[in-house]
Amino acid sequence: AQSVTQLGSHVSVSEGALVLLRCNYSSSVPPYLFWYVQYPNQGLQLLLKYTSAATLVKGINGFEAEFKKSETSFHLTKPSAHMSDAAEYFCAVRPGGGADGLTFGKGTHLIIQP
Amino acid sequence: GAGVSQTPSNKVTEKGKYVELRCDPISGHTALYWYRQSLGQGPEFLIYFQGTGAADDSGLPNDRFFAVRPEGSVSTLKIQRTERGDSAVYLCASSLNTGAFNEQFFGPGTRLTVL
Repeated sequence: AQSVTQLGSHVSVSEGALVLLRCNYSSSVPPYLFWYVQYPNQGLQLLLKYTSAATLVKGINGFEAEFKKSETSFHLTKPSAHMSDAAEYFCAVRPGGGADGLTFGKGTHLIIQP
Repeated sequence: GAGVSQTPSNKVTEKGKYVELRCDPISGHTALYWYRQSLGQGPEFLIYFQGTGAADDSGLPNDRFFAVRPEGSVSTLKIQRTERGDSAVYLCASSLNTGAFNEQFFGPGTRLTVL
């Protein structure tokens, strides 16, 4: 079985500041990890994914995430926040084999202060 | 090209009624997934199809929920004897194939409200 924990249901940062959204996972097999973003009244959009090719993964809109097996973490970062980054962010895990459905965390609402 | 579409966008029904939610995947995508997102929660996996067959329905909460994909394209999620606890946003996603490397593309969802 696999699970995802996102620390902080709400994160507030100033425009131009570093964004850090935390995700820890548990998986009985090597995981595939994903970050999705959900803008108001829109569908989920893939930001980036880890599939074991490289531990530092770059995604769209300047986001990146680092897979740390020893910490079972896959935190999402962005060096400088923009107002347009305000959205709900979800971390998700898919086991390496077998079932194909994603297991999502509860989400983190990112608030950007002007 | 067109993305995943879901109809209706909103559905209000009364407790005990039957509802059908429709999903049109991206053309050519063989895999189709249903998720349910309750208020303040992340999406919860319900079922996925590879072609016409349900490859994994382990997430369906009980036998009131059923989904079909008769021709390997459009899918319908059916809920019998709806309960207030079924109120949620139902999300559909599709991917070119199954497997870890295949991105799931999500539709905008159907918001179901059971009164």
